[in-house]
Formats: sequence, C-alpha cells, structure tokens
Amino acid sequence: DAKTTQPPSMDCAEGRAANLPCNHSTISGNEYVYWYRQIHSQGPQYIIHGLKNNETNEMASLIITEDRKSSTLILPHATLRDTAVYYCIVRVAGSSNTGKLIFGQGTTLQVKP
Amino acid sequence: DSGVTQTPKHLITATGQRVTLRCSPRSGDLSVYWYQQSLDQGLQFLIQYYNGEERAKGNILERFSAQQFPDLHSELNLSSLELGDSALYFCASSDHPGRGSYNEQFFGPGTRLTVL
Repeated sequence: DAKTTQPPSMDCAEGRAANLPCNHSTISGNEYVYWYRQIHSQGPQYIIHGLKNNETNEMASLIITEDRKSSTLILPHATLRDTAVYYCIVRVAGSSNTGKLIFGQGTTLQVKP
Repeated sequence: DSGVTQTPKHLITATGQRVTLRCSPRSGDLSVYWYQQSLDQGLQFLIQYYNGEERAKGNILERFSAQQFPDLHSELNLSSLELGDSALYFCASSDHPGRGSYNEQFFGPGTRLTVL
C-alpha cells in the first residue's frame, strides 16, 4: 500500500472549515484513500473514502486531485469536538485483499474557540 | 458507541505473565481486527479474523495469538509479557472480509495494558 504524508499538527478556529492535506504521490490506480480520526485515545472512527471523484457525507468532504497524488479532507464547520488525530490511509481494494488498515502518524487537529 | 465491546478496560500485570483480551463485535459483523497502539509505534495492525478463520496477519509477535469463536467473539492472548507490550489494544469489526472498496471498521474503546 502507498505511503502517505501528513502535517503533524494543525489549528483551526471553531466554526471555520478545517482543511487537512494528505500527500500520496506513489498511489496506484487501484488504491483508495480513506480517512479515519481518533479522539483522545478512543477507538478510531471512519470518516470517508474515495478513489478519484470528490466525495461528501454528513461528516466531511474529500477532495482528490486529478493526478490522485494528494487529497484534502474538509470539515466544513469545525467544532471543539472535532479535535482529534486524523489519519489518511491508502489501501488497495480487490478480491484478494483484506481490510487491514495501515496507520501513519496522522495530523493532530486542534480546534480553538 | 460503536457497538464493539472490549474487556477488560484496564489491565495491570507483571513481566513474564500471560493475559487474555476479549472482544465482542457488533451484532452480525463477521470480521474482527486487532490493533496495538503504543507511544513509539503508533497504531499497528496485528491480525484479522473472518467468520472464524484467520484472514490477515500483520506485525503480531509469536508470543501473541488470537482466535475467533463460533459466536464470533475474539480473544487476543499475550504471553511472556515484556515492558514494551504496554499499549492500548483495539478491536474493530466489520460486516465484510475487506475485499472491496468499502472498508468501514467499527472500533471498540480499547484495553489499556500496563506491564510492570
């Protein structure tokens, strides 16, 4: 699975959009991008995933560049409860694959009042 | 609440001992995953079971073993414990084996193991 690079930490003002970048320059055509977050030693929580099109759900939006070498997770109106470590994970999906997730160091997002 | 339960929440033991961590997946989920989170290694995948069968293995030490029972609950056994085994151990479950693009896993609250 391709390696990802994320900034170690970011700040965001409450109520503003939080834009979390992820670089995955070695991603291959059959690899998906997943985002999970972990709030203060709780179990990680799935946020969103995508292949090449932009995706949106009730939690966030995922923007993937046309060359797929990077992506951005957007939390449109960050709240204090969004303070967490955000993990960007790249994973192959296919009939011979398993669901194992390879976590990197992630980005610690601090939402400030 | 993810629907995944783990017991115990905290475990304190001594080096050389053996412990068993238990995980009950969400109702209906056939896959169970185990992850270890330590300060120096971060979150690491250990092993996956699907419907009672081992499906994937990660960086799991030989001193560690796991199994999934017919009622789908899983246990992670850690033996000959060392100080470095102190960590948070998470169990996750999903309703699929993990082949497709959809790969949402539901994580439990974790078991914090302290080896003294």
